[in-house]
Amino acid sequence: DAGVTQSPTHLIKTRGQQVTLRCSPKSGHDTVSWYQQALGQGPQFIFQYYEEEERQRGNFPDRFSGHQFPNYSSELNVNALLLGDSALYLCASTVGAGELFFGEGSRLTVL
Amino acid sequence: GQQVMQIPQYQHVQEGEDFTTYCNSSTTLSNIQWYKQRPGGHPVFLIQLVKSGEVKKQKRLTFQFGEAKKNSSLHITATQTTDVGTYFCAGPWWTNAGKSTFGDGTTLTVKP
Repeated sequence: DAGVTQSPTHLIKTRGQQVTLRCSPKSGHDTVSWYQQALGQGPQFIFQYYEEEERQRGNFPDRFSGHQFPNYSSELNVNALLLGDSALYLCASTVGAGELFFGEGSRLTVL
Repeated sequence: GQQVMQIPQYQHVQEGEDFTTYCNSSTTLSNIQWYKQRPGGHPVFLIQLVKSGEVKKQKRLTFQFGEAKKNSSLHITATQTTDVGTYFCAGPWWTNAGKSTFGDGTTLTVKP
């Protein structure tokens, strides 16, 4: 049983570019959340998807958008990248209000 | 806004010593979860506490949820080098049950 898988694992972009990160949830999970983790900090909630709709959103600008597909997989898109967007982006899946299962993350570096 | 604070930020112990990290929320939590993140890794779920005053144990780890459901603690007895990592608490609030907010964690280092 595969856990949460994310791709790519590492990527480098330049300011102003756009990036798409992908996540496949753990089998049987229908809810996907995205978190941004800067170095030395805790994960910061970006948004959560359930039934292909954004259900909750954290304090992130509209440059951050997402999507959930019928198979529950999800994408995180970030437009007009800033240096401050450099971070580890974590995807977590869950069922209801249960524990979060995190993927290994996508480490984004913006130059 | 709603915040979760953890103290201490760092803790260095000698192997065999005990370790405690504390988590405090600005508002009442519907439940609290604890995660461990090893260096270079991703957060891994440890436990969830739901009831006021709840205490749960996992081998050398003891988790407590405060009576007012605004604070929690994790205590490790007789630390081992395998306990190294950052421990995070995370809590959804009653008004945002679907959104988990993490503290900034306590990073534990253990000297053999």
